[in-house]
Amino acid sequence: SQELEQSPQSLIVQEGKNLTINCTSSKTLYGLYWYKQKYGEGLIFLMMLQKGGEEKSHEKITAKLDEKKQQSSLHITASQPSHAGIYLCGAARLNYQLIWGAGTKLIIKP
Amino acid sequence: EAGVAQSPRYKIIEKRQSVAFWCNPISGHATLYWYQQILGQGPKLLIQFQNNGVVDDSQLPKDRFSAERLKGVDSTLKIQPAKLEDSAVYLCASSWRRGYTFGSGTRLTVV
Repeated sequence: SQELEQSPQSLIVQEGKNLTINCTSSKTLYGLYWYKQKYGEGLIFLMMLQKGGEEKSHEKITAKLDEKKQQSSLHITASQPSHAGIYLCGAARLNYQLIWGAGTKLIIKP
Repeated sequence: EAGVAQSPRYKIIEKRQSVAFWCNPISGHATLYWYQQILGQGPKLLIQFQNNGVVDDSQLPKDRFSAERLKGVDSTLKIQPAKLEDSAVYLCASSWRRGYTFGSGTRLTVV
């Protein structure tokens, strides 16, 4: 199984609706990162979470970290077409390497 | 602050040809990474440099891939000869402590 499980694999959401993407690690987390990617392009940093219970928000995107469960969730409120893309979670390991989930492809229906 | 620069943005080559990618990290970032991302998958680490030394290249297919980071700044990744399965986005990232910055990537298509 994957070291970092991300779900769902893809998501189609009506514009204006809320959505949640989850990320679960099978190993100790030394930081959990959320990035957004347009198809075939580079990664855009969204948020980094380090401490259990930590929650960060940027515009309509909120990310939380449950350190005990080694899980993080990314929640988008009132989705817009600009939110469409691929969302990737990355887990930092002790050696500073990032291990990645497979990504969640988000499509926003007008 | 300038970001991580990568070139070229796109490259189409025939199988068995060679190709090279270039990366210029953020000034002062000692650690540099090259990732391969097959479309529809998460990035896979190919090689990690700390200054001009290799920290981890365990997933680099060394029979065809090579990478160097001369003087601990710029880096190049080379594929020779390319195979069809090398078609992917090649991402360069640099980091300082636990802050990672990615370049725009190079999309390679091998035909």
